[in-house]
Amino acid sequence: DAKTTQPNSMESNEEEPVHLPCNHSTISGTDYIHWYRQLPSQGPEYVIHGLTSNVNNRMASLAIAEDRKSSTLILHRATLRDAAVYYCILRGTGNQFYFGTGTSLTVIP
Amino acid sequence: DAGVIQSPRHEVTEMGQEVTLRCKPISGHNSLFWYRQTMMRGLELLIYFNNNVPIDDSGMPEDRFSAKMPNASFSTLKIQPSEPRDSAVYFCASRTYSLGTGFPKTEAFFGQGTRLTVV
Repeated sequence: DAKTTQPNSMESNEEEPVHLPCNHSTISGTDYIHWYRQLPSQGPEYVIHGLTSNVNNRMASLAIAEDRKSSTLILHRATLRDAAVYYCILRGTGNQFYFGTGTSLTVIP
Repeated sequence: DAGVIQSPRHEVTEMGQEVTLRCKPISGHNSLFWYRQTMMRGLELLIYFNNNVPIDDSGMPEDRFSAKMPNASFSTLKIQPSEPRDSAVYFCASRTYSLGTGFPKTEAFFGQGTRLTVV
């Protein structure tokens, strides 16, 4: 599976937007970009995914670079409940998916 | 639906004992995954099943680990004998997967995990 690179940690002030970057320079044409997050003492939960176009849902937005070698998860207004580890995952054909080290987001009140 | 249900939530056992972790996937999902999470290694995929059949167990660390899925609503992960280095949080996840297209049809849903401590 193609690898992803994320910063180990980021901080954000409460109620400000957060941009979480992910590099995936070896992405193939059929790889989807998925984001999951893991709240403290919880299992991971799905956030958003996309292939080529930018995507929005109630939780976040996903901005995908034109060459698809990077993407950014955007939380429009960070809340304390958004403090979590955010994982960027590439998923090709097949059912398995692998987590990297993720970005630990701290939200400052 | 109650989501993916794992039991027990916490397990403390002595080295050498057999440990069985249980998972009930979401009804209707045909894929099930077992992950292990530690501080050192993060989230590791151990094994996954499609339609109750093990597809890839390359992540299972040793022969001491075994997983079964006797039916669509139940799976077990067994460690025999257990060792202190097996201490971790074990997660089960499920989703719907299309064998025809080769792509998942839903996102993966994770259980709350089982925290295993081997002393």
